[in-house]
Amino acid sequence: GDSVTQMEGPVTLSEEAFLTINCTYTATGYPSLFWYVQYPGEGLQLLLKATKADDKGSNKGFEATYRKETTSFHLEKGSVQVSDSAVYFCALSEGSSASKIIFGSGTRLSIRP
Amino acid sequence: NAGVTQTPKFQVLKTGQSMTLQCAQDMNHEYMSWYRQDPGMGLRLIHYSVGAGITDQGEVPNGYNVSRSTTEDFPLRLLSAAPSQTSVYFCASLNWGETNEKLFFGSGTQLSVL
Repeated sequence: GDSVTQMEGPVTLSEEAFLTINCTYTATGYPSLFWYVQYPGEGLQLLLKATKADDKGSNKGFEATYRKETTSFHLEKGSVQVSDSAVYFCALSEGSSASKIIFGSGTRLSIRP
Repeated sequence: NAGVTQTPKFQVLKTGQSMTLQCAQDMNHEYMSWYRQDPGMGLRLIHYSVGAGITDQGEVPNGYNVSRSTTEDFPLRLLSAAPSQTSVYFCASLNWGETNEKLFFGSGTQLSVL
């Protein structure tokens, strides 16, 4: 079945460092791909998305490109801030039903001042 | 603020006890769902509902019951808690007809079963 694999955390970086969180997926069709973020004490919220190959999702300085050839959707940011400390979830969805969303295990990111 | 509200935020149970996790949304969303989050694993769907009076099982439904008597509320019931149900539980809702990425999540309930 479909699955999502993302790098294990925690990831600890200094402020202004470059961030990459790896995400790869397995799917039978052509899924939509997402990154969700969970800030401390809050629920998950959508960070960015891409719905087809070579699409780039972006939001709040974060970017991820849908790579069909490598089945990847890595999250990147050029200069992280302390406020980016959170747990990041990669997810995919095949079809239009919210019940079909599959989440990765989450990566905890901590940014040192 | 409009959104998804979960109560309680924390709960400790003894094995065999029962309890209900509450979830309410004030956005008139038709779709509501429950996930559990365990260390090293992604969020896994427990049950979901596409409207009042309609519920269906997700990936890990065993040990949990749900009902949907109103659009706003979607409680999750543990009839006889087990240590394997120690987890963080998230409720989410979506306005039917919108694309699935517009899920709204609650802030979670951390449950420990001793």
